[in-house]
Amino acid sequence: AQTVTQSQPEMSVQEAETVTLSCTYDTSESNYYLFWYKQPPSRQMILVIRQEAYKQQNATENRFSVNFQKAAKSFSLKISDSQLGDTAMYFCAFMKPGDDKIIFGKGTRLHILP
Amino acid sequence: DAGVIQSPRHEVTEMGQEVTLRCKPISGHDYLFWYRQTMMRGLELLIYFNNNVPIDDSGMPEDRFSAKMPNASFSTLKIQPSEPRDSAVYFCASSWGTGTDNQPQHFGDGTRLSIL
Repeated sequence: AQTVTQSQPEMSVQEAETVTLSCTYDTSESNYYLFWYKQPPSRQMILVIRQEAYKQQNATENRFSVNFQKAAKSFSLKISDSQLGDTAMYFCAFMKPGDDKIIFGKGTRLHILP
Repeated sequence: DAGVIQSPRHEVTEMGQEVTLRCKPISGHDYLFWYRQTMMRGLELLIYFNNNVPIDDSGMPEDRFSAKMPNASFSTLKIQPSEPRDSAVYFCASSWGTGTDNQPQHFGDGTRLSIL
């Protein structure tokens, strides 16, 4: 069975700094999808970024980028020039093609300090 | 476009009462998911539907929990009788299709449930 592990329950960084959230996963599949979701205090779950395992290039969305290391089964999220609005819970998630369910990690609570 | 709509936003009730949570998925989405979020367990999938049919309810904690999807635009999650340990945030999410092009799930704002 697939598992997703986020080893950092909580992190704090100063505004404008760069922060990296770690995520590792376990699977025997060769192709799959990985996601980062953001949950701000408003509780809404927002898709931040998505990566397909067969693509070598790391996904990027504005200030958000990932470091996808397939052999190491690692999928970290980097937030550049962090902003106060980035304060949220971040969930790493895994899905395999043809499967309906997403498997979530337990989340990392990120605080951006002024 | 309207996103996934959940109601109520907050629910506080006494132990033993019946609780009904509601969800309206995004129009055109054929998958609907119910999740429960707690600090201890994170985000857990309870049940999901495809074309209004329950596909996997293995995450439903016990018989006190039930979910229905009478049509493509409405689903309910019911807890009867409720217990304090059911206190959590419950999310509904919907998505379109799977196959080889996994579409991301879109989440509602959640219902914060407190059982006293």
